[in-house]
Amino acid sequence: AQTIHQWPVAEIKAVGSPLSLGCTIKGKSSPNLYWYWQATGGTLQQLFYSITVGQVESVVQLNLSASRPKDDQFILSTEKLLLSHSGFYLCAWSRDWGGEQYFGPGTRLTVL
Amino acid sequence: GDSVTQTEGPVTVSESESLIINCTYSATSIAYPNLFWYVRYPGEGLQLLLKVITAGQKGSSRGFEATYNKETTSFHLQKASVQESDSAVYYCALGPSNTNKVVFGTGTRLQVLP
Repeated sequence: AQTIHQWPVAEIKAVGSPLSLGCTIKGKSSPNLYWYWQATGGTLQQLFYSITVGQVESVVQLNLSASRPKDDQFILSTEKLLLSHSGFYLCAWSRDWGGEQYFGPGTRLTVL
Repeated sequence: GDSVTQTEGPVTVSESESLIINCTYSATSIAYPNLFWYVRYPGEGLQLLLKVITAGQKGSSRGFEATYNKETTSFHLQKASVQESDSAVYYCALGPSNTNKVVFGTGTRLQVLP
């Protein structure tokens, strides 16, 4: 069975500090990977997707970057956090492009 | 761009009553998007409830149904008799667009009273 793990569960960070969020998928080779962000009371917005190792495409510009250093790992980061980065970050994977997505438990980020 | 509009919540219904959560979409970049309903139960992660990838087809799961209506660009979620355990947040989604984007609605919080 496939499992998806996100870390950390929650973060409280200062404006201007760096950030790194991680996501690991086990039990599925070559998954399509996605990062989403949801502001409090807002809708889910797709940020990035990756079809293969080393290749990441940006969907929405939020002064964030993403990388896929391994087949099963997806990293979301920034060197300088903004207040507007606060929210809930979800990682997801899919078998087929355009197919159903399987979501991780998410990371709650608070920027002060 | 592509968009999804769904019933604003919260929606409150009593157990055994019928339910409909409206979802309409605008898919300007792709003629026949895949359509999804996702659900987040309290304390759980977001998960797929049902999907339909062919216009005119109906998807069903856990007593819920949704029909992909190309003419009205709708994908309403219905259930004949809700249960308290159906209390959750429901999201309508479409994708992928020609920019490889999956678009979610704002979510509808459903509360089912015992």
